[in-house]
Amino acid sequence: GENVEQHPSTLSVQEGDSAVIKCTYSDSASNYFPWYKQELGKRPQLIIDIRSNVGEKKDQRIAVTLNKTAKHFSLHITETQPEDSAVYFCAANSWGKFQFGAGTQVVVTP
Amino acid sequence: EAQVTQNPRYLITVTGKKLTVTCSQNMNHEYMSWYRQDPGLGLRQIYYSMNVEVTDKGDVPEGYKVSRKEKRNFPLILESPSPNQTSLYFCASSLGPQGVSYNEQFFGPGTRLTVL
Repeated sequence: GENVEQHPSTLSVQEGDSAVIKCTYSDSASNYFPWYKQELGKRPQLIIDIRSNVGEKKDQRIAVTLNKTAKHFSLHITETQPEDSAVYFCAANSWGKFQFGAGTQVVVTP
Repeated sequence: EAQVTQNPRYLITVTGKKLTVTCSQNMNHEYMSWYRQDPGLGLRQIYYSMNVEVTDKGDVPEGYKVSRKEKRNFPLILESPSPNQTSLYFCASSLGPQGVSYNEQFFGPGTRLTVL
């Protein structure tokens, strides 16, 4: 069936460095790609999203890129800070049906 | 305050005892959805609803039922729970489709269910 693959599963970065998380999707009808951050014991919260008619979107230290031809999208976090430590999930939506990646545990060390 | 609420937040039950997890939103959202979260598997969609009386299966609907009789509520029903349904459950809502695309989903606080 259709799925979303996310890599890496864990990512350790030094404070101030950049972090990149990559996702691939298989459903060519997918047209909305959100990224969620989930802190321990809390609910997922949207940090950035991108629609299929856009190739890149940026919000302060966070950016997302989308390559529809290759069916992959990536999250970029620059100048990482300890409060960026969390689990990050990518997702792809196709007409109301959402599929999520398995998550990336990001640890930012001071 | 705009929010998605779920009840109960924690539940321990036994195999076969029917249960309902309620979900309610006060944002007049058209779209609502249920997910389960298991370690290493991310979130998996159980059912979703585009509007009142419209529901569709997600990736893991087996063993679950839903209904959408009114816009604000989207209960998740486990007719005969089994231990493999032990999980963390999230309800979410959003404005719904904007043309062919979608809007931000707001998640409820989660319900931790244990089936013995």
